[in-house]
Amino acid sequence: AQSVSQHNHHVILSEAASLELGCNYSYGGTVNLFWYVQYPGQHLQLLLKYFSGDPLVKGIKGFEAEFIKSKFSFNLRKPSVQWSDTAEYFCAVEGGGATNKLIFGTGTLLAVQP
Amino acid sequence: EPEVTQTPSHQVTQMGQEVILRCVPISNHLYFYWYRQILGQKVEFLVSFYNNEISEKSEIFDDQFSVERPDGSNFTLKIRSTKLEDSAMYFCASSEGQRTQYFGPGTRLLVL
Repeated sequence: AQSVSQHNHHVILSEAASLELGCNYSYGGTVNLFWYVQYPGQHLQLLLKYFSGDPLVKGIKGFEAEFIKSKFSFNLRKPSVQWSDTAEYFCAVEGGGATNKLIFGTGTLLAVQP
Repeated sequence: EPEVTQTPSHQVTQMGQEVILRCVPISNHLYFYWYRQILGQKVEFLVSFYNNEISEKSEIFDDQFSVERPDGSNFTLKIRSTKLEDSAMYFCASSEGQRTQYFGPGTRLLVL
């Protein structure tokens, strides 16, 4: 069965620090990969996605992620975080099955201190 | 920008009662989904729906659950006889094709 692992459950950073959130998936076939963000009190929003092509994908708000097939990883990065990036971040994989259901990781709660 | 909407935002119910959670997907989308997130746990897939029938369902989606698209705009999740462990945030999502899913704000269900 497919699974997604997010190794950092809670991350605390100061503003302007760099961010990298780990995501590993277990699925040997073709995968589509996503990062979603959930700001406090709001719904899940798509940050970025990878379907094919350039393994370095850029998303909204200065986020990017790199797909490394050999490592089954899709880590999220941002060079300089802001207080407004405080949120929960979810990695998800879509692959296999009858439909494109998403398999989510457990999420990483990011707190950015001003 | 079009959004997925869900009602109610919060629902409190007694164990054994039926609840219906409502979703209005983005208007030109054809694929619909329900997910849930129990407090402190990961978001889990429940069911997908296309062309007026269930495409796939998880093991969580047992006979107590049903989905329906009663008209051209709404997509509902019914829990026939709620249990304490059904307490969770329920998210609806929709997609135009089998691609990016857009999520609603969720309904927080509390079963007492």
